Amino acid sequence: QVQLQQSGAELVKPGSSVKISCKASGYTFTSYDMHWIKQQPGNGLEWIGWIYPGNGNTKYNQKFNGKATLTADKSSSTAYMQLSSLTSEDSAVYFCARGNYVYFDYWGQGVMVTVSS
Amino acid sequence: DIQMTQSPASLSASLGETVTIECRASEDIYNGLAWYQQKPGKSPQLLIYNANSLHTGVPSRFSGSGSGTQYSLKINSLQSEDVASYFCQQYYDYPYTFGAGTKLELK
Repeated sequence: QVQLQQSGAELVKPGSSVKISCKASGYTFTSYDMHWIKQQPGNGLEWIGWIYPGNGNTKYNQKFNGKATLTADKSSSTAYMQLSSLTSEDSAVYFCARGNYVYFDYWGQGVMVTVSS
Repeated sequence: DIQMTQSPASLSASLGETVTIECRASEDIYNGLAWYQQKPGKSPQLLIYNANSLHTGVPSRFSGSGSGTQYSLKINSLQSEDVASYFCQQYYDYPYTFGAGTKLELK
């Protein structure tokens, strides 16, 4: 069965960076886009972008250009998202989700990132 | 960006009741719409894609309809396990955008 296992919660300082992971299993990792979505309490869901692990192609929401960097490691079937220059506005839960064509059919459990000094 | 306006923001209904959640797009999204269910502390789960196609394993009491800019999710015969938040999402154009969500509670 398809599973997306994300890394654990992060407490990070303002101005720093964090890299979170999403390990895929149960399907061919290189055949589907991996999307990343941000959820802040009361602020709904925001799409950050996708990476196609087959060739490393990426597409970002312009709002997250310079903030998020998506990468993927085919050898370990793991997708990564690095968030840089962190501020309190980046405190949120971040999900990875498999893209089936354009909708998201399987989601990771989410990673809570807290930015605090 | 395409704005997705979802209504109502919250909804209280009784077991066995039929509920409808609406989503309006700021422009025509040509059925490029999905609905997700999110239970507290959990990740969203896909219910409906392409506006009216039921995702594998989703109970048939869930259905989607609509076209153009107006879409709806209907839940027939509400069950206790349907208590959750529901989100619509358009994938017709970048950036993909979500509705603000509808919180469904039992009366």
